[in-house]
Amino acid sequence: GENVEQHPSTLSVQEGDSAVIKCTYSDSASNYFPWYKQELGKRPQLIIDIRSNVGEKKDQRIAVTLNKTAKHFSLHITETQPEDSAVYFCAASSARTSYDKVIFGPGTSLSVIP
Amino acid sequence: GAVVSQHPSRVICKSGTSVKIECRSLDFQATTMFWYRQFPKKSLMLMATSNEGSKATYEQGVEKDKFLINHASLTLSTLTVTSAHPEDSSFYICSATTTSGAETQYFGPGTRLLVL
Repeated sequence: GENVEQHPSTLSVQEGDSAVIKCTYSDSASNYFPWYKQELGKRPQLIIDIRSNVGEKKDQRIAVTLNKTAKHFSLHITETQPEDSAVYFCAASSARTSYDKVIFGPGTSLSVIP
Repeated sequence: GAVVSQHPSRVICKSGTSVKIECRSLDFQATTMFWYRQFPKKSLMLMATSNEGSKATYEQGVEKDKFLINHASLTLSTLTVTSAHPEDSSFYICSATTTSGAETQYFGPGTRLLVL
């Protein structure tokens, strides 16, 4: 089955700097890669996603890149703000069956220091 | 749109009792719902996938007789933790997709279960 790895597990940046989180996946059939942000005690919230027919996607300060050949995808947050502090999960999904099972990475705890 | 609710938000029970957690899609029909378990500072571990009107599909290592899942309608799925033990204490989160084949999952707020 699919296995998603994520690095780093913790990341601390100064406010205004950029943060990069990297993930790898094992199943070459995976074709959908969402990123979720989870604040302490809250539900995960989708922040951006990318599909396998696209190499890069940007939404304001957040961008995601995908390298299908290497099975790598990354989240880039620019001009970080304290409210960006949270745990970020990457995930991979393959529509092999009638439902779409999403496998999550272990998460990255991001701290933005004011 | 795409709001998912969960009830209860917190539950404390005695060891040996059963606990039912409800997951509802409030403004859409959810063909598929997913149940996750999350330990403190850990990732979301998929327990099972629930399809309306059919038996749930459990992930390897998840006891189907321990974690009973029912998806009786397009807006409601329930997870029952039977004969709960302290090791079942965890944060349980459900999610739903809006249409079959759509990948985006919308998460419920989670249920924190504490078994004494």
